[in-house]
Amino acid sequence: EAGVAQSPRYKIIEKRQSVAFWCNPISGHATLYWYQQILGQGPKLLIQFQNNGVVDDSQLPKDRFSAERLKGVDSTLKIQPAKLEDSAVYLCASALEGGSWGQETQYFGPGTRLLVL
Amino acid sequence: GENVEQHPSTLSVQEGDSAVIKCTYSDSASNYFPWYKQELGKGPQLIIDIRSNVGEKKDQRIAVTLNKTAKHFSLHITETQPEDSAVYFCAASIRSATNKLIFGTGTLLAVQP
Repeated sequence: EAGVAQSPRYKIIEKRQSVAFWCNPISGHATLYWYQQILGQGPKLLIQFQNNGVVDDSQLPKDRFSAERLKGVDSTLKIQPAKLEDSAVYLCASALEGGSWGQETQYFGPGTRLLVL
Repeated sequence: GENVEQHPSTLSVQEGDSAVIKCTYSDSASNYFPWYKQELGKGPQLIIDIRSNVGEKKDQRIAVTLNKTAKHFSLHITETQPEDSAVYFCAASIRSATNKLIFGTGTLLAVQP
């Protein structure tokens, strides 16, 4: 079974530029998560999708971050404009049916390492 | 909201020794507690989880214990091997429409050969 795919793996940009990350979840997984992991910290949830609908985006800085999951499969996370403090690893995870009151395993991708200069 | 604290932040053991990582949570409604292992350059990988209706769970060299009264849970690794070296994260969630995971700050485990 193929795992969660993410691209690019690394990205270096200057502040105020824009950047986009892509995620392809495990086939058949209805729930998709984007996490931000700052160096030395645990992952922090940014947004959760159930199919193509947003379930939780309470910690997404909506003035600069946006995300979409068209057709309920792949997802894109965008930052515009980027700030220095956005330097982090952006992790995508998927679960078979993580919402709907089921606590199922979240499978993580390798992440995209973003450095904002 | 839920808060998860994890200790120690770093742990060095000799190969063959045991390692214990401890976490505490704040919300008594939390009922699902997974542990993830993150190797350098990779995403976190689930290694074991426990639900609130169970006090202990074991899988080969790995075990997790849960004390609901004290609101803490621990990861135990026995007979450590160099390949166990990684960052370990605990997490907690409340069964809900979102099942949001709150992660601890991580423990860097180094197993010295």
